[in-house]
Amino acid sequence: AQSVTQLGSHVSVSEGALVLLRCNYSSSVPPYLFWYVQYPNQGLQLLLKYTSAATLVKGINGFEAEFKKSETSFHLTKPSAHMSDAAEYFCAVSYNNDMRFGAGTRLTVKP
Amino acid sequence: DTGVSQDPRHKITKRGQNVTFRCDPISEHNRLYWYRQTLGQGPEFLTYFQNEAQLEKSRLLSNRFSAERPKGSFSTLEIQRTEQGDSAMYLCASSLRRDSNVLTFGAGSRLTVL
Repeated sequence: AQSVTQLGSHVSVSEGALVLLRCNYSSSVPPYLFWYVQYPNQGLQLLLKYTSAATLVKGINGFEAEFKKSETSFHLTKPSAHMSDAAEYFCAVSYNNDMRFGAGTRLTVKP
Repeated sequence: DTGVSQDPRHKITKRGQNVTFRCDPISEHNRLYWYRQTLGQGPEFLTYFQNEAQLEKSRLLSNRFSAERPKGSFSTLEIQRTEQGDSAMYLCASSLRRDSNVLTFGAGSRLTVL
């Protein structure tokens, strides 16, 4: 079975600071990994995905994530937070049509 | 194409009533998924269709829940005899078969059972 664990249900950063949202996965086969963002009252929007190509994946809105097999991690980063980044972020792992989501990390950006 | 549409966006009902949600996927997407999301949790898989065929159902989908996709286009999710524990956001997503790991989500239908 595959699963993801997101470390930290809430993360707060100052505007302009580094954003780091942590995700560790568990999968018995090479996984597909994803980060989704959810703004209030909206559906989930795909930020980026890892599908066994380059280990450093660049996504929308300046976000990127690095797949580290040795650490079973897929942490999401952004060099400089913007107020508009405040949202809920979900890490997900998928294999053979079975997509499992983490519990989410709520990002707050302080002015 | 305006993406995945869900209706209604919010439904308030009394315990014991039946409710139905509708999802209109992206037109060229042949796979359609239903997820449930409760407060503070990530989405949980309920079921998925490939065209009109329902290929998988989660154990979360009790016999009070039924989903259909009669013509392989829109889908409905019906909950019979609603319980307070059914209160959640019901998310629909769709994908192309050839890229089935990339899901496009709708905005969700929030159910509140009083």
